[in-house]
Amino acid sequence: RKEVEQDPGPFNVPEGATVAFNCTYSNSASQSFFWYRQDCRKEPKLLMSVYSSGNEDGRFTAQLNRASQYISLLIRDSKLSDSATYLCAVRSNDYKLSFGAGTTVTVRA
Amino acid sequence: GAGVSQSPRYKVAKRGQDVALRCDPISGHVSLFWYQQALGQGPEFLTYFQNEAQLDKSGLPSDRFFAERPEGSVSTLKIQRTQQEDSAVYLCASSFAGELFFGEGSRLTVL
Repeated sequence: RKEVEQDPGPFNVPEGATVAFNCTYSNSASQSFFWYRQDCRKEPKLLMSVYSSGNEDGRFTAQLNRASQYISLLIRDSKLSDSATYLCAVRSNDYKLSFGAGTTVTVRA
Repeated sequence: GAGVSQSPRYKVAKRGQDVALRCDPISGHVSLFWYQQALGQGPEFLTYFQNEAQLDKSGLPSDRFFAERPEGSVSTLKIQRTQQEDSAVYLCASSFAGELFFGEGSRLTVL
């Protein structure tokens, strides 16, 4: 079983819609959690960290559920520019970040 | 620029050739990582350096893969006797306060 698993999608949503997806992790000792965004043929860039209490950054909301070992990302009022692959990342020790395979989101006009 | 710089951006190699991929991290970043990203997959951890010390090489797929960072700054990932399954994007990242900053990657195609 992979350490980090994601629904690959694709999620095709109209502009203005809300889209949400999860990521599960296998190591219960994992310490830190992140969402990265990766545009086609570009490098991953940090979108947001995920805190235990949940956190928002504008239209993006991240949640952590330690009991069920998953994190989620919700995007409200989707924009065309939100079209990308969203990578879940989990840190299980002091340095190593493990990534999921990514969830593809396509926002259509 | 101020970001992580990787070269070459694109490399085509014939099967059996050796390749060397270079990473120039953000100045002052102690931690440096190499990841391999196959098409449609997420980045897979290869190896980790803290300054010049290679503290974790558990992700290197075989002994054909070798990485070094002799002076604690620039790093080189070398792949010997390349195989078709080595075709991927090789991402370098340097880290500060836990956040990884990725370079644009080196896209390797082995024919």
